[in-house]
Amino acid sequence: EVQLVESGGGLVQPGGSLRLSCEASGFTFSNYYMNWVRQAPGKELELVANIKPDGSGTYYVGSVRGRFTISRDNPRNSLYLQMDSLRAEDTAVYYCARGFDYSFDSWGQGALVTVSS
Amino acid sequence: DVVMTQSPLSLPVTLGQPASISCRSSRSLVHSSGNTYLDWFQQRPGQSPRRLIYKISNRDSGVPDRFSGSGSGTDFTLKISRVEAEDVGFYYCVQGTHWPPVFGPGTKVDIK
Repeated sequence: EVQLVESGGGLVQPGGSLRLSCEASGFTFSNYYMNWVRQAPGKELELVANIKPDGSGTYYVGSVRGRFTISRDNPRNSLYLQMDSLRAEDTAVYYCARGFDYSFDSWGQGALVTVSS
Repeated sequence: DVVMTQSPLSLPVTLGQPASISCRSSRSLVHSSGNTYLDWFQQRPGQSPRRLIYKISNRDSGVPDRFSGSGSGTDFTLKISRVEAEDVGFYYCVQGTHWPPVFGPGTKVDIK
């Protein structure tokens, strides 16, 4: 069974940093694209960042480019999102999602990030 | 980016009655491969999104057959043949044909 478990969410002040982790199990992690998708309060789902199976390529939505860094450790079956220079508008639930065949086929339970003073 | 719209945004339904949600894209979602990458997700209260339908009409494992998807090009529909209490929540369409993937705004389904 595919499992994705996020951790690392919390309350942080504007301008601060946070690192999210996603531990994967139940599938060969190194074969799949992986994604971070967020859902701000009352807003639609948004792809934040994406990384190729071998980590050789990444994508970021414009609003986080230069501030967020997606990475992965395939031997540890883990995905990360380093979030720096956080803003109030980054407040959201962040989901780790597996990518397959132009789709997000499995999701974690989410990690809440709140940016507030 | 492709723009996805859904209607209605709120759908009160009667238990046992059918329900239908429309999703439209600003561009055709037919991929150069011939596939159309349009999915439907369900998000129950307090839960993470769960994929119900992929590539327009393919149900994921464990999804009840009262859920069905249809459509082509730019117009797509999710139908629930007989709504049950556990179907309450938000429903999102998402396109994967054109990078980046874009989600629709969501339709809130609740019981009258």
